[in-house]
Amino acid sequence: NAGVTQTPKFQVLKTGQSMTLQCAQDMNHEYMSWYRQDPGMGLRLIHYSVGAGITDQGEVPNGYNVSRSTTEDFPLRLLSAAPSQTSVYFCASSPYRGTEAFFGQGTRLTVV
Amino acid sequence: AQRVTQPEKLLSVFKGAPVELKCNYSYSGSPELFWYVQYSRQRLQLLLRHISRESIKGFTADLNKGETSFHLKKPFAQEEDSAMYYCALSTSGTYKYIFGTGTRLKVLA
Repeated sequence: NAGVTQTPKFQVLKTGQSMTLQCAQDMNHEYMSWYRQDPGMGLRLIHYSVGAGITDQGEVPNGYNVSRSTTEDFPLRLLSAAPSQTSVYFCASSPYRGTEAFFGQGTRLTVV
Repeated sequence: AQRVTQPEKLLSVFKGAPVELKCNYSYSGSPELFWYVQYSRQRLQLLLRHISRESIKGFTADLNKGETSFHLKKPFAQEEDSAMYYCALSTSGTYKYIFGTGTRLKVLA
């Protein structure tokens, strides 16, 4: 199993550009989520999904969209990138409530 | 509101010294608590969870419901323990995880 795979690993965007961060898992996990990691702020939940077709907002959802058309994929879309979205983004999945979360290797995004 | 507090941003200890990384949580129900570790340029990975009550890489953590704490301890620190450590809370009935702000552990030679 590959686990949780994120692409790309690095990305530089100009302010106002849009892009999609990809996340895929091959463990048939129902729950997937996106976090951003910022110095001194830990991991903050952006959006999450409890199954295909079901998504909800986390702590910091503004400026991001998600969809979950399949169990495997959970892409994160930046609609109009801003410098405040410069961060490291992690995707995670888990099989059941309250169990271990498996993380991707992260995407380091810089918005200039 | 649910919250996880890690009061120390940075903890430096010498090799062979005991280590304690503090974690306090705020949650009125029955929590699931975890410690995740992130080594340099690697993904976050589970270190241990309170329900399993096991020791991983010499680390242990005990849930103290009275003090709402889940401190991570190791009697003798090793240089390879240097990493970022996150305490996380999962609340009953949800899939969400709430992370603390993390503590960077530096083990000095």
